[in-house]
Amino acid sequence: EAAVTQSPRNKVTVTGGNVTLSCRQTNSHNYMYWYRQDTGHGLRLIHYSYGAGNLQIGDVPDGYKATRTTQEDFFLLLELASPSQTSLYFCASSERGSAETLYFGSGTRLTVL
Amino acid sequence: AQSVDQPDAHVTLYEGASLELRCSYSYSAAPYLFWYVQYPGQSLQFLLKYITGDAVVKGTKGFEAEFRKSNSSFNLKKSPAHWSDSAKYFCALEVYGNEKITFGAGTKLTIKP
Repeated sequence: EAAVTQSPRNKVTVTGGNVTLSCRQTNSHNYMYWYRQDTGHGLRLIHYSYGAGNLQIGDVPDGYKATRTTQEDFFLLLELASPSQTSLYFCASSERGSAETLYFGSGTRLTVL
Repeated sequence: AQSVDQPDAHVTLYEGASLELRCSYSYSAAPYLFWYVQYPGQSLQFLLKYITGDAVVKGTKGFEAEFRKSNSSFNLKKSPAHWSDSAKYFCALEVYGNEKITFGAGTKLTIKP
């Protein structure tokens, strides 16, 4: 079974702070995704990638950067965090980008004060 | 633009009843459709998907879903329901070749013993 590990599990920062969320998958999947989960909105796609060095824009990218350094590692960067970015963040991976099952990490709860 | 609607934010049933969680989508061409489940405090897990072929697809944990092109729906069903089915259920849509998966807001299912 695919393994997707996120860190940290919880993070608290202040407005304007700099935050990096990490995700690692160990099943050699090509695609990796960052979602945020908010009550009433379900999951919304922030960024995704289909390989090292690649980045694709999701549906809610404003205020977020991302970088895929290797096939295994995908990072989400908030360089000037705002309270509106308080959310539960999920990383996911899939073997290919279409019609594929997503494997999710356990999530990072971010609070921006 | 594609969208997914889960009209019932909360559904409560007694154990042994039949459950049906509603999902409708908006997209003009053939969709890929998914159901995921999120147990309390956990991440999302894949239940089933419709890509093509038979309208009724069976998934894990005894769930099945029926794709109805006529009314753009993909409802999730299970009978009988068990208290352990209490969770939040997400319907998701992928547009062919798009690589992006759009999630509905989710339905929180509570099964009373």
